[in-house]
Amino acid sequence: DVKVTQSSRYLVKRTGEKVFLECVQDMDHENMFWYRQDPGLGLRLIYFSYDVKMKEKGDIPEGYSVSREKKERFSLILESASTNQTSMYLCASSLTAGHRGQPQHFGDGTRLSIL
Amino acid sequence: SQQGEEDPQALSIQEGENATMNCSYKTSINNLQWYRQNSGRGLVHLILIRSNEREKHSGRLRVTLDTSKKSSSLLITASRAADTASYFCATDAYSNTGKLIFGQGTTLQVKP
Repeated sequence: DVKVTQSSRYLVKRTGEKVFLECVQDMDHENMFWYRQDPGLGLRLIYFSYDVKMKEKGDIPEGYSVSREKKERFSLILESASTNQTSMYLCASSLTAGHRGQPQHFGDGTRLSIL
Repeated sequence: SQQGEEDPQALSIQEGENATMNCSYKTSINNLQWYRQNSGRGLVHLILIRSNEREKHSGRLRVTLDTSKKSSSLLITASRAADTASYFCATDAYSNTGKLIFGQGTTLQVKP
């Protein structure tokens, strides 16, 4: 089974801090994703990576950056945390999709609170 | 941008009943997927249906796809309390990148 591991289930940080969320997958997947999930807004894509050192902005990249130095690890960085970044953050991975599609495999999420 | 819109937003049924959730989307697709999310956890992939397929089964799950109406439905038969969760549809919006666009989900409560 694919395992996607997020480093923390719960995290509390202060406004202005630089925050790192880590995600590791063990199935050699090319694609990795960071989403945030908020009530009433569903899942929104923050950033997407389709290969090592390759990244693409999603729908809401402002205030975030990412790093993918190794294939198995995809990090989300909040450059200067703000209270409106309090949310549930979900990491996912998948094989290269092509037109036939591939399922995404999710971690259990990090519930981040910015005080 | 929201591609999938689920209906209803919330559904409450008794154990043993069937649950039907609907998803509508806006653009052409290569495939549509359904996911389940238990409270406080990540999403779990349930089923993928391709644009040239009309119906797919997996255990107690039945998914239909009508590309002419840009809609899909997920039927859970003989529901159990353990089926209580949120259910999301996701489409690839005719992209080969692997990116998915998720709807806002249907929250299903199955009462024992």
